[in-house]
Amino acid sequence: DGGITQSPKYLFRKEGQNVTLSCEQNLNHDAMYWYRQDPGQGLRLIYYSQIVNDFQKGDIAEGYSVSREKKESFPLTVTSAQKNPTAFYLCASNDRYIDEQFFGPGTRLTVL
Amino acid sequence: AQKITQTQPGMFVQEKEAVTLDCTYDTSDQSYGLFWYKQPSSGEMIFLIYQGSYDEQNATEGRYSLNFQKARKSANLVISASQLGDSAMYFCAMREVNTGGFKTIFGAGTRLFVKA
Repeated sequence: DGGITQSPKYLFRKEGQNVTLSCEQNLNHDAMYWYRQDPGQGLRLIYYSQIVNDFQKGDIAEGYSVSREKKESFPLTVTSAQKNPTAFYLCASNDRYIDEQFFGPGTRLTVL
Repeated sequence: AQKITQTQPGMFVQEKEAVTLDCTYDTSDQSYGLFWYKQPSSGEMIFLIYQGSYDEQNATEGRYSLNFQKARKSANLVISASQLGDSAMYFCAMREVNTGGFKTIFGAGTRLFVKA
């Protein structure tokens, strides 16, 4: 089945540690996105990539980093510079000719 | 800057009745797309409906319809015959184009509670 996978579903880390969230898609989509969602809030764009080896900062990129070495993969690293990293992280992708964004199941990150 | 406003933090509706969730947007672009997504407590984002700015007819998908009023910059979601499973967060979103390509901005959401 085609779709987006994010792993793990729940992630716990100690304060000051970097952590990498995985996002993989087998939809052959060019564009991929990372969003952050805080409780009771909407989605805020962290980074997005329209093509392999290229990515753009979203609205809240500080403290995060990404890479796009393969079309199907767009990992997000939450660095120790991110002041409040505890949140729900959603990865999405879309085909350039179709407007609908497809979302992964999300990763809930808790920093202790 | 583009912006999406959802003014109803929470809404209650009786089962089997219709409900309208409000969404207004602000953009200077002529070409844009408007979306509604449903987010149940599990956290997944479920695509519901899409309206293009040049579409003359309101979009419909089963029990969902989008009341698109371009001059007023509103894109309200209408859910007919509400079901208990409709209880969830609902997000209005807009696709915008910038130098980095396409990106989607989301409203703050409306939490819908369906009463039996």
